Amino acid sequence: AQSVTQLDSQVPVFEEAPVELRCNYSSSVSVYLFWYVQYPNQGLQLLLKYLSGSTLVESINGFEAEFNKSQTSFHLRKPSVHISDTAEYFCAVTPYNQGGKLIFGQGTELSVKP
Amino acid sequence: SQTIHQWPATLVQPVGSPLSLECTVEGTSNPNLYWYRQAAGRGLQLLFYSVGIGQISSEVPQNLSASRPQDRQFILSSKKLLLSDSGFYLCASRWSENTEAFFGQGTRLTVV
Repeated sequence: AQSVTQLDSQVPVFEEAPVELRCNYSSSVSVYLFWYVQYPNQGLQLLLKYLSGSTLVESINGFEAEFNKSQTSFHLRKPSVHISDTAEYFCAVTPYNQGGKLIFGQGTELSVKP
Repeated sequence: SQTIHQWPATLVQPVGSPLSLECTVEGTSNPNLYWYRQAAGRGLQLLFYSVGIGQISSEVPQNLSASRPQDRQFILSSKKLLLSDSGFYLCASRWSENTEAFFGQGTRLTVV
């Protein structure tokens, strides 16, 4: 079985500060990794994903995540956050060749304050 | 991209009544389909997923069941609702296991 743990349920930061949202997973097989974002009163949307190749992946709005196989982690970072980044962030995994199962973590609520 | 239609948006049902939530997908064929329950602080709990017509995998033993009678139709059901079935239910679809999942707007179910 697989599981995803997001270590922080809430992360308050000031605008222009750096932020890291942590994600660890457990799986006996290789996985694809995803970060989804849910802005207030909106649906979930994909932020970025890791499939293979370079372990550092980036989104169009300045977020990046690094896959660390030895630590089974996929932490999300941004060097300088904006008020508009306030949202809930979900880490998710899909194990290879197991019918497309998509498992989410508990979510991290990022609150950016002026 | 894909469009996920879920209805109804809100539903209030008495304990012991049946349930049927429907999800239909536009913009793709033979998608992987998912039902989740979202609760504050608990993220998205995967309930069921399906890779094809009539193929259902259940993740959590519970009072609910799912069916996929057509390629782009996914139904969440219960014969007798419990209070604990209250929650926010999301349907999702994606083309394959390494592609983006698209979500519906959800159904807020309150069992009274």
